[in-house]
Amino acid sequence: AIQLTQSPSSLSASVGDRVTITCRASQGISSALAWYQQRPGKAPKLLIYDASNLESGVPSRFSGSGSGTDFTLTISSLQPEDFATYYCQQFDSYLPLNFGGGTKVEIK
Amino acid sequence: QLQLQESGSGLVKPSQTLSLTCAVSGGSISSGGYSWSWIRQPPGQGLEWIGYIYHSGSTYYNPSVKSRVTMSVDKSKNQFSLKLSSVTAADTAVYYCARFFGWLSPWGQGTLVTVSS
Repeated sequence: AIQLTQSPSSLSASVGDRVTITCRASQGISSALAWYQQRPGKAPKLLIYDASNLESGVPSRFSGSGSGTDFTLTISSLQPEDFATYYCQQFDSYLPLNFGGGTKVEIK
Repeated sequence: QLQLQESGSGLVKPSQTLSLTCAVSGGSISSGGYSWSWIRQPPGQGLEWIGYIYHSGSTYYNPSVKSRVTMSVDKSKNQFSLKLSSVTAADTAVYYCARFFGWLSPWGQGTLVTVSS
């Protein structure tokens, strides 16, 4: 099974900061990667699919890039509502679909 | 707007079977070529994909739970279901349902299932 490694596992940042989260796949997955945001006590919400496509309704300060094994999620200017945990998920191989370990974004 | 809502037993005894249903509203479970998934999240931990079912009934289960899982779909009620047998405390988690197209969206709000005697 493909393994996904997210880094960092947590970070502290201030409102207005630019934040970058990395997801590395154990083998190439083309652009078959999605990113989710999970606020405390809530279900995950899709932000990005196919590595760089912004889901409808998601603010444009979120962006995704990468292909193959290395991917990034960038928040261009962190807002108070962005403090949450972020997960990557691969779907190049459905057998089985899996998630990264998560990155918790906290207030500095 | 498509919405999903989980329901089912919140407390299950060890060795028994966990049963959950996901009701789909705002769209047909049979349309669009989508599949339907279950995902779980133990308290304070990350996400684990359990598997998916297509409206035709074809399924794929995560090998981590494959021997204990059964998914089914009821097109007349526009819902799909999860059964997990022989549960232990390790199966305690928030269980989510979601539409699956490679990525998962939208998700239900989730339901906490606790395995305890």
